[in-house]
Amino acid sequence: EIVLTQSPDFQSVTPKETVTITCRASQSIGNDLQWYQQKPGQSPKLLIKHAFQSFSGVPSRFSGRGSGTDFTLTISSLEAEDAATYYCQQMRSLPLTFGGGTTVEIK
Amino acid sequence: EVQLVESGGVVVQPGGSLRLSCAASGFNFGGSAMHWVRQAPGKGLEWVSLITSDGVHKFYADSVKGRFTISRDNTKNSLYVEMNSLRSEDTAFYYCAKGGVGFTAYLLDYWGQGTLVTVSS
Repeated sequence: EIVLTQSPDFQSVTPKETVTITCRASQSIGNDLQWYQQKPGQSPKLLIKHAFQSFSGVPSRFSGRGSGTDFTLTISSLEAEDAATYYCQQMRSLPLTFGGGTTVEIK
Repeated sequence: EVQLVESGGVVVQPGGSLRLSCAASGFNFGGSAMHWVRQAPGKGLEWVSLITSDGVHKFYADSVKGRFTISRDNTKNSLYVEMNSLRSEDTAFYYCAKGGVGFTAYLLDYWGQGTLVTVSS
């Protein structure tokens, strides 16, 4: 099973700041990594697919980078509506696995 | 517009059984792999099961293997999971999620709103 480790667990930031979340895989997964956003009381929504490709309708302030074992999600110029928990997910092999999540709080 | 609507979540006793349903619309259901993913209250996401578009191949997390059965009816655009021998640790919101097309079947591009299963005496 591929283990995904996210950091940090929690981040409190002010609007317009830039946030970077890291996801590290226990083995190389190429570009087979997605990022999801889950707001309180809602289901997850796909933000980034294949490590760096933005999903339809996702604001351009969300971007993904990385390959192999190390990946990042960057939220540029944070907005209040970005308060959420963010998860990475690998699609290299079954079982599909998720990172533990990073909660972003807006100060 | 892609829509996934889960139903069937209730309070059930340990050892009990339950069937969840997911009604799909707005996309080619018969051409898409489908997944169940769960989330215990206040916890992270856990993949549960996958069924291929034709319903032939099914895969499960070790935590539910032998107890849960995933199925689909492409004529009704519906996904199901039969859950048996339920345990307290199965308490969670259960989401159905659409897989991508072809080799991206493991990519979860749309999710339902979830249905809550509570296993408690």
